[in-house]
Amino acid sequence: AQKVTQAQTEISVVEKEDVTLDCVYETRDTTYYLFWYKQPPSGELVFLIRRNSFDEQNEISGRYSWNFQKSTSSFNFTITASQVVDSAVYFCALSGVLSSGSARQLTFGSGTQLTVLP
Amino acid sequence: DGGITQSPKYLFRKEGQNVTLSCEQNLNHDAMYWYRQDPGQGLRLIYYSQIVNDFQKGDIAEGYSVSREKKESFPLTVTSAQKNPTAFYLCASIPTGTPSRPNYGYTFGSGTRLTVV
Repeated sequence: AQKVTQAQTEISVVEKEDVTLDCVYETRDTTYYLFWYKQPPSGELVFLIRRNSFDEQNEISGRYSWNFQKSTSSFNFTITASQVVDSAVYFCALSGVLSSGSARQLTFGSGTQLTVLP
Repeated sequence: DGGITQSPKYLFRKEGQNVTLSCEQNLNHDAMYWYRQDPGQGLRLIYYSQIVNDFQKGDIAEGYSVSREKKESFPLTVTSAQKNPTAFYLCASIPTGTPSRPNYGYTFGSGTRLTVV
């Protein structure tokens, strides 16, 4: 069985602070995908990143960066110089991989509510 | 623009009533999914379909039914057997065979908020 744990239920920071959202996962699959999604108050989930299990290279996209460590089964997400618009619920998710390379169904963590105060 | 359309945005159900949530996509994705979200919780899988005329139960399928007669459409029916249907429902889709694309991932609709009255 797969499991994703986001231990931080809520985080509040002041604008311009850096913040890291933690994600720990469990899976018996040797190949899998990890995702981060953002859910603003409107409710729609917005895709942020997908990481393959065989690629432990960290990724940076503007103010966002992701640290994938297979040894600790973690896929943490850092926002640098946070802004009020970053306020949302952030979900980490895990999927297995079909023989075609396509993702299987997602297993979600419970989410972290990030509030960035002006 | 391509995307997923869910309707209605808000839905009210009376006790003992069946209701159907619509999910339509024009992304030409093969796989479609229904998730349920309760306050303070992550999303849980209800049903999914990898191809037309085939679908599989997810973790919480009891009290729900689906159909997949067309590639573009994956409606979800919440039956009277679902004892606690009040939740936020999200539909998603994903392409098959293109995992090498950097932005490969699930696309979600904007959701339907169902309330029992």
